[in-house]
Amino acid sequence: AQKVTQAQTEISVVEKEDVTLDCVYETRDTTYYLFWYKQPPSGELVFLIRRNSFDEQNEISGRYSWNFQKSTSSFNFTITASQVVDSAVYFCALRETSGSRLTFGEGTQLTVNP
Amino acid sequence: EAQVTQNPRYLITVTGKKLTVTCSQNMNHEYMSWYRQDPGLGLRQIYYSMNVEVTDKGDVPEGYKVSRKEKRNFPLILESPSPNQTSLYFCASSFLRGGQYFGPGTRLTVT
Repeated sequence: AQKVTQAQTEISVVEKEDVTLDCVYETRDTTYYLFWYKQPPSGELVFLIRRNSFDEQNEISGRYSWNFQKSTSSFNFTITASQVVDSAVYFCALRETSGSRLTFGEGTQLTVNP
Repeated sequence: EAQVTQNPRYLITVTGKKLTVTCSQNMNHEYMSWYRQDPGLGLRQIYYSMNVEVTDKGDVPEGYKVSRKEKRNFPLILESPSPNQTSLYFCASSFLRGGQYFGPGTRLTVT
């Protein structure tokens, strides 16, 4: 069965600090997709990135970057020079290609203080 | 505007009174899904649909029904709601292997 673990329940940083959110997953499939979502205090869920298991290239989008390491089953998310607007709950998720169930981690509450 | 809509956004009801939460998307997505979000439990998938007339159970399907008669709509039905179904519900849609786009959420309270 697939599983996603976000061991950090809460992280608090000061503005402009870099912060990394950890995500570790378990799956028996050799092909799968990984996702990150952001849930700001307003409650909506915002899609940030999708990564398939064949593509281990790291990705950067502005202040956001993602480090996918298949060898350690991890898909970590780093925010560089954090801002107060980054305060949100961040979810990592996994979808196996053999099925279509999407499994979420329990989320990491990030608080960026001014 | 590409979006997923849900109605109602807020609902307070009583135990046993059947209710339906509607979900509609305008992006021609094949895949649609329902989740519930509870404190300390994260997001859990209730049901999903890969296409019209194709639905399957997620992790927590008990007490819920769904249907997919049209590509754009995926209603969630609670035939006999109970207090343990009090939760925040999200509908989502995507292309089959794409990132899912979520609706704004429906906060349901069952007393």
